[in-house]
Parts: sequence; structure tokens; C-alpha cells
Amino acid sequence: QSALTQPASVSGSPGQSITISCTGTSSDVGSYNLVSWYQQNPGKAPKVVIYEVIKRPSGVSNRFSGSKSGDTASLTISGLQAEDEADYYCCSYAHTGTYVFGTGTKVTVL
Amino acid sequence: VQLVESGGGLVQPGRSLRLSCAASGFTFGHYAMHWVRQPPGKGLEWVSGLGGGSGPMVYADSVKGRFTISRDNAKSSLFLQMNSLRPEDTGFYYCAKDRGGLVDTGMLELWGQGALVTVSS
Repeated sequence: QSALTQPASVSGSPGQSITISCTGTSSDVGSYNLVSWYQQNPGKAPKVVIYEVIKRPSGVSNRFSGSKSGDTASLTISGLQAEDEADYYCCSYAHTGTYVFGTGTKVTVL
Repeated sequence: VQLVESGGGLVQPGRSLRLSCAASGFTFGHYAMHWVRQPPGKGLEWVSGLGGGSGPMVYADSVKGRFTISRDNAKSSLFLQMNSLRPEDTGFYYCAKDRGGLVDTGMLELWGQGALVTVSS
């Protein structure tokens, strides 16, 4: 199972919106609404910010939103804040009954 | 509510190592559990998952036949037995709690702090 494809880096100014794409195949992202997104700060464990494509766990800012079209899922962070600077990974359930993570995106707040 | 991994360390290629994950603050047996690894400075890779009732077990192709996931619900513990270790198995190993009892809910809602495994001669 190959890793899902994400841009290596995305940047934006405070207050702006950014979108991170996550491209898979018809065997994973395209077939299941089981895409999740994880935020990871340096030296820390990942934390889920979106699950089932569009759902937000309790306690996660509503500035985080998710979507999906075909084989590509997206994470949008609106009203970008300095605290959003981190690495972000998408993850999808796959037809093999396993999971596949994305390559990861470093978000920089300018 | 927390997960604490242990058992990491330096091991020679071809040898074995067993990781443990101690869970607390929730009814461990009700939830599927997973192992995810991350080579230093690199991305996440899902390794294995196990349902709350000790089934089914699923593995990434990269570890199938070498790694075995198991759990002891009475002791709220998850394990990963790693055999025939290779240098490319080096990384931080995180245990993670699923939001449901099966491994197909698509959401890892709680993570441990990670245990470092280094495979080198």
C-alpha cells in the first residue's frame, strides 16, 4: 500500500486560510469515508483534528474542516494562527483492511 | 486517560524485541488498538491493529510475518512482538486507541508518547 500524497509544505499568514490536499486511489480515499487528519507538533504524539472526512472531535477548533472529492481529501485551516504551525498527516482506511498515512505536510505560519 | 509505551531500545538486526503499551482511564477491552511508527524526522506509518475482543489482527505488508500484535484485556495492555528486525524498522513506535471496538472506524483518538526502537549493529 503506497503512502497517500500530500504537499511537502504549505504556508500562510495569520488570519488566512490554507488547504492541504491528500491524494490516494480508488482502493482507499476514493472508496471509504474514513479519512482522518492528524496534527503533530515537534517531539509530540499526533493528535486527531478531523475524522470520517468531515467530523471534528470534541475540543478541536472549528477553524479546522475537512472535505473529499473522488480520490482526494482536503484539510482546510481557516483564520490561521501561530499555534497551527505543525506537521499534518492524512490517513485513510484501505480495502485491504489496513490503514495508509499520507506523506505529511509542514504548515508554516508566516 | 492515557497510554504509556515501554520496551524500546537498541537491538541488532535479526534479533527480537517486545513493546508494551499500558492503558488507563478507559475500558480497554471495549476498544480496538493500533501500533503506528515513525522513523526519526520522517512520516507516520501504520503498522498493525487489533480489535477489542482480540480479533481481527491486521498488519502492514512491511511487517507481516515478522510482527505479532496481541493484548491482555485483564491487564489493560497491548503488545507488539517484533522478530527478524531490520534497520528500516528503526523509529518511534506509538500505540493508539481506536474510537470503536473494531479496527475499521478510521479514527485513532488517543496516542501514547512513543517508544524508540533502534535496529543497528
